[in-house]
This record gives sequence, structure tokens and C-alpha cells, in this order.
Amino acid sequence: AQSVTQLGSHVSVSEGALVLLRCNYSSSVPPYLFWYVQYPNQGLQLLLKYTSAATLVKGINGFEAEFKKSETSFHLTKPSAHMSDAAEYFCAVRSNYGGSQGNLIFGKGTKLSVKP
Amino acid sequence: GAGVSQSPSNKVTEKGKDVELRCDPISGHTALYWYRQSLGQGLEFLIYFQGNSAPDKSGLPSDRFSAERTGGSVSTLTIQRTQQEDSAVYLCASSLDWSSYNEQFFGPGTRLTVL
Repeated sequence: AQSVTQLGSHVSVSEGALVLLRCNYSSSVPPYLFWYVQYPNQGLQLLLKYTSAATLVKGINGFEAEFKKSETSFHLTKPSAHMSDAAEYFCAVRSNYGGSQGNLIFGKGTKLSVKP
Repeated sequence: GAGVSQSPSNKVTEKGKDVELRCDPISGHTALYWYRQSLGQGLEFLIYFQGNSAPDKSGLPSDRFSAERTGGSVSTLTIQRTQQEDSAVYLCASSLDWSSYNEQFFGPGTRLTVL
């Protein structure tokens, strides 16, 4: 079965510091991976997606993620955090099984806090 | 253009009552998904539609949950005889189709509170 594990339910960084949110996946087939962001009381917004075209994926708001098959990882990074980046971030893998094809399997989420 | 909309945004109900949650997908999107977000369980997939058809309903937590989609557009998630454990945010998403690389666009969710 496919799954996603996000290490760290809470991450706190200072404004201007590097943001690193960790995601490891489990999949017996080449995965399609996504990072979504959720601001308070809002729905999910896609940050970026990996669909095997390139291992380094650039997304919106200065975020990027690198797919590493050998490490089964898809960590999200941003060189310099802004206060507006404070939100919850979800890593997800697309299901490839049976009748639920297409649905997303989410990690538990990582809440990012940015200190001034 | 308009995104995915959901109504109501908030719903408070008493245990044992039935509730209906509505999702309006982006026009032209043939795939529609329902997810539930709760503190204990995180984000869980419930059901998806391709057109008006739901190929797999095994993600629904119990037989009190049902969903339908008409005209390849609006979808309704119905919860009968609500229980306190049904309290959660119910999120709807749509995409062009169920192809792997198509982005799912999420609505703002319906926050359901069962007293």
C-alpha cells in the first residue's frame, strides 16, 4: 500500500531562515507526489507536484522539492522564510490502486511557525 | 474563474440528525473527490466520482455516509443519524479527470459540528 510520512508535526523557523519540511513516501510503483499548503480556515492549495518529468520541482511562493528515489524522499524547502509562510503543509501521494485511483493519500501535516 | 465552492461553510447539528453537504466543482472538471479532515485522523479520502459514477465507495466510514453526483457537476455528501465522531471538516476537490498528473483543486470545506 502507498503511504506518506511527514517527520515533525511542528517546525519553527526564524524569518529569513531556511525552511525544510520532510516527507518520505512508500510506493511500489513510480509515485506522483504533491505538496499542499493550508492557511487557517481555508482549503488546500497546491504548492508543487512531481510527476517524473524532473527530480527538482519548483513551485509557488519560492518553494521547491527534490525527489530522491534512493531515499524515498520528497522534502520541501525554501531558502528564506517569510512570516506569510506560516501555515500547515501536507505531503501527498496519488493512489494507483483499484477504484480509488486518483485520490490523494496525505501525510499527517507539518505546521510551520515563523518567528520574527 | 470560479473555484470549487462548498456549502454550508459551517454546520452545527444535533446527534442523530441527518445532514447534507454540497460541493460545486470547477466547471468542466469531470473528477470530484470528497475528503474528511479531523484532528485524530488527519486527511482521509472518502469517495471519488468520475462523471456521475463512483467506482469505489470503500472509503466511506460507515453505511450512514452516502454521496451522489448529478449531471456530472454538483455533488452531495449525506450523513444520516450523525454521531459526534462525524465532527470534522469535509473537503471537496475537483480535477479535469482522474489522470495522475492533474491537480486537484480544493474547496474551502464545510466544518461539521455534531453536538
